[in-house]
Amino acid sequence: NAGVTQTPKFRVLKTGQSMTLLCAQDMNHEYMYWYRQDPGMGLRLIHYSVGEGTTAKGEVPDGYNVSRLKKQNFLLGLESAAPSQTSVYFCASSYGQLLRETQYFGPGTRLLVL
Amino acid sequence: DAKTTQPPSMDCAEGRAANLPCNHSTISGNEYVYWYRQIHSQGPQYIIHGLKNNETNEMASLIITEDRKSSTLILPHATLRDTAVYYCIVPRNSGNTPLVFGKGTRLSVIA
Repeated sequence: NAGVTQTPKFRVLKTGQSMTLLCAQDMNHEYMYWYRQDPGMGLRLIHYSVGEGTTAKGEVPDGYNVSRLKKQNFLLGLESAAPSQTSVYFCASSYGQLLRETQYFGPGTRLLVL
Repeated sequence: DAKTTQPPSMDCAEGRAANLPCNHSTISGNEYVYWYRQIHSQGPQYIIHGLKNNETNEMASLIITEDRKSSTLILPHATLRDTAVYYCIVPRNSGNTPLVFGKGTRLSVIA
């Protein structure tokens, strides 16, 4: 099992450009999450999904959109990138019926917006 | 999540036990204590969780005080690879709310 994978690993964008980050999991988990982490900070939840076709806002959702068309994939979109979105983005998934249950994280995507 | 307080940083000699404290004095009901860690540049990794009794797995031990207001994560024989940020999280038991990761404790294992 690959666990949780993220594509791409690293990306440089210019202000105003758009991109999509892909998260995939092969553990048949119901719940998936997108976090961002800025230097010296803890993780902050952007959006999450409690099942295929569902999404919900987390702590810092502005400037991002998400989609969960397939159970194994969770996409994070930036429609018009801003320098404030320079960060490391982590995807996670969990099996359980509650959001507090154990999460499994991907390796991260490093995004630089110039 | 219930508020947790952790020291910002700690050092530990390689081969010695690392004891990471966490205060969660507002913990209530059947709220669990979770520990994760994040090694530099990697995604966080689940370590252990517990409710009342002490827990042990292949990675660590979790000691929860009888009043449940604090806990200690123990890495029995710390290695250089245990250098990481350790997060103590007490998710809210009511409703279905996501985990909140604070700033954690940065553990440095020194040779």
